[in-house]
This record gives sequence, structure tokens and C-alpha cells, in this order.
Amino acid sequence: DSGVTQTPKHLITATGQRVTLRCSPRSGDLSVYWYQQSLDQGLQFLIQYYNGEERAKGNILERFSAQQFPDLHSELNLSSLELGDSALYFCASSARQRGYGYTFGSGTRLTVV
Amino acid sequence: TQLLEQSPQFLSIQEGENLTVYCNSSSVFSSLQWYRQEPGEGPVLLVTVVTGGEVKKLKRLTFQFGDARKDSSLHITAAQPGDTGLYLCAGVGANFGNEKLTFGTGTRLTIIP
Repeated sequence: DSGVTQTPKHLITATGQRVTLRCSPRSGDLSVYWYQQSLDQGLQFLIQYYNGEERAKGNILERFSAQQFPDLHSELNLSSLELGDSALYFCASSARQRGYGYTFGSGTRLTVV
Repeated sequence: TQLLEQSPQFLSIQEGENLTVYCNSSSVFSSLQWYRQEPGEGPVLLVTVVTGGEVKKLKRLTFQFGDARKDSSLHITAAQPGDTGLYLCAGVGANFGNEKLTFGTGTRLTIIP
């Protein structure tokens, strides 16, 4: 157990639907990062939150959004899902703003059918 | 966009052999990390190198950060089946405001007993 909890572990949904992925960071970590991992694209950075505020944005689609709540857990919302959104979605946390020592969760495997 | 290219992409060797994985970029990084990822799990941090020319050893694994902080290598001595996995290098941007972790393309290593 890495200390970063992601739910659900697996998600199967239809195209056009909306899903929410949840992440609880390791205790004491203020930064949360979301990554998408697909076979042909590797680990792609989506977005970072630090202590509730958006800190950095990567290649995140407009159909995707995220937030970090006062208790520091984070949610990634994916809407108008397409087949190409099928991937592993990872959340990572760290104690600092800068990218040191990420701890990753076990991921959510999203399958869009 | 900071790109990290890893080579080789795939490597399959016999138990007991030595191997080296390379991570190269045209960008300068303030630090570079190596992760190992096993199927169904998130990446796990192995090491962080910060200083140009730095060498760190972790049992049979030796990590080196290039003098110019643009490249890194991972050398495994006497590989064992337990070393099998996806190895990812990841760099932290050197410029203020670009401190997110950018992952390399990955090296999938298989050690044959």
C-alpha cells in the first residue's frame, strides 16, 4: 500500500458518458498529480493541484476537469467519453510543489465501450 | 515540450547478465528520477539524482545523472527475474513554473530465468 488511494480500480462505461475518478493522497502530501497512461502514449501529465489550487496543466482535454477539496482529496471528471479515453489513470501525491518523490496510487483502469 | 527518450524500448536478457538503460533529452532537468512499474500497479520511485555527474547505487542498480543534467542511465548488474518490469525515467523541469514531472517513453525489461 503506497498510501495513495484511488477508486474505483476498474470502470467500464459507454461512449458519451461521464465518470468521476477519486484520489486520496498520502497523509501530509499537499500536491496531487493526475496522469493518463495508454499503451501508445506512455504516462502523460494531465494536471496538478497544490493545497487546493491548480498549479500546473498538461495535455488535459477540455472534456476533462479536476479539483482538489479542502481535505486534499482530488477528483478527476471525464465527460463525453470517447473510445480513445480508455486508459489507466494514475494519481500521485508529493509533499512539495516541485516534482520530488511522487507516490503513485494503483490507478483506475477506464474502459469506454 | 520536454521530451525524454529511453532506449532500448524493449529488452529481454538472461538471468545473470548485465544491462544498461538510457534516458536522453535535449532539455536540462533540475533532477531526474527513476521508477519501476509492474503490471496493474502504479510506478514506484527507485531513486532521485540531483547533481550533474551524480552516481547512486541501490544494491545491483547503479544510476547516473549526466554532467549537463540532460541524460541519465540505469545499469543493472547480474539481472534477476525480479527485475522484470517497466522502467521509467522522469525529469523535473529546471525552469521556475515548470516543475512538473515529465516521464520518459519507458523501457520494458524482461529477465529470463
